[in-house]
Amino acid sequence: ILNVEQSPQSLHVQEGDSTNFTCSFPSSNFYALHWYRWETAKSPEALFVMTLNGDEKKKGRISATLNTKEGYSYLYIKGSQPEDSATYLCARGGSNYKLTFGKGTLLTVNP
Amino acid sequence: DSGVTQTPKHLITATGQRVTLRCSPRSGDLSVYWYQQSLDQGLQFLIQYYNGEERAKGNILERFSAQQFPDLHSELNLSSLELGDSALYFCASTPWTTHGEQFFGPGTRLTVL
Repeated sequence: ILNVEQSPQSLHVQEGDSTNFTCSFPSSNFYALHWYRWETAKSPEALFVMTLNGDEKKKGRISATLNTKEGYSYLYIKGSQPEDSATYLCARGGSNYKLTFGKGTLLTVNP
Repeated sequence: DSGVTQTPKHLITATGQRVTLRCSPRSGDLSVYWYQQSLDQGLQFLIQYYNGEERAKGNILERFSAQQFPDLHSELNLSSLELGDSALYFCASTPWTTHGEQFFGPGTRLTVL
């Protein structure tokens, strides 16, 4: 994997459904994996920053895991709510401090 | 509100012109990053400054330049503008050069006609 890739590109779920997205990234020279939540007409807001293989982070109904050896991270949302509708971005931090972002997963939660 | 401010919010200009986008980081943050969000593209890293010095460079065109001033605000200068430069430009700040979370400003929407 040369770039940061996210799947799926978009997702429609019903309120109350649980869902997950994938972020794949180059595992060499890895320093950190970021997840951001980006609502329409707002700016990206950090959810998690993970650095260690096996890291798991949780914030309310949202959690994330990290596998640096194989180069992937999962973001989980339990019991999706309409206010969870947003684009979820992941970004890989390398040794040169810059973040390389994926194109995001657009989540729409229907009431 | 992240504490990062960007001006102007919207900018409409013509091809060949030059514009300056301004960013004020959160109070105390020393590091400023600039990103470009074009249609169908992810956030593209342009450049990073730390305490007045350029720290990392990404896919920034030669027509673009940036600087960070002693009061830590930063400016992104875009010259000889082309239609393809139309995009949303974000700046983000962090306390120092780390891999910690970045705090994004509201962005400047640039439209080149």
